[in-house]
Amino acid sequence: SQTIHQWPATLVQPVGSPLSLECTVEGTSNPNLYWYRQAAGRGLQLLFYSVGIGQISSEVPQNLSASRPQDRQFILSSKKLLLSDSGFYLCAWSVGTSFNNEQFFGPGTRLTVL
Amino acid sequence: AQTVTQSQPEMSVQEAETVTLSCTYDTSESNYYLFWYKQPPSRQMILVIRQEAYKQQNATENRFSVNFQKAAKSFSLKISDSQLGDTAMYFCAFMKIFQGAQKLVFGQGTRLTINP
Repeated sequence: SQTIHQWPATLVQPVGSPLSLECTVEGTSNPNLYWYRQAAGRGLQLLFYSVGIGQISSEVPQNLSASRPQDRQFILSSKKLLLSDSGFYLCAWSVGTSFNNEQFFGPGTRLTVL
Repeated sequence: AQTVTQSQPEMSVQEAETVTLSCTYDTSESNYYLFWYKQPPSRQMILVIRQEAYKQQNATENRFSVNFQKAAKSFSLKISDSQLGDTAMYFCAFMKIFQGAQKLVFGQGTRLTINP
């Protein structure tokens, strides 16, 4: 069966520090991968998505970047965190290009920037 | 651009009652999917139900059903015989296919509380 992992689960970082959040998927090949951010009391906003190794598409201009060094690994990074980067970050995966293909979400990372 | 609006920030009902959560969306696309996701206190996103725009029949999953009004761009979720475990944030979402990926656009969410 397929599983998705995210770590760390929680993170507290000072403003100006770097960030690296990792997401890995098991049990599937060539998934589409997604990073979402959920601000407090808000819905999810798509940040990045990837349809293959090294292929990254950004949805919104921001202080963050994403990379996909391996087929089932997706990394969210920042060189210098801002207060506004605080939030709950969710990774998700799907396969294929059909509307009927469900996105499966990871457990999330809660990031607090102080 | 597609937008999804959930006009009810919070709702509260008694256990065993029926509750309806509202969602409207805006799109110019002809084929798409709509989803309802549940996010309990654990923060795990769980798919509740999905609806294809080309299907006129409303989707049903056990106690969960939708009222899909395509012309009105409305997609409400009805929960029958509500249970304490239904307490969660509920998000309506619109899916579009773009450059080989399924992209979800979420509403702001409705916080639903089921009271004993």
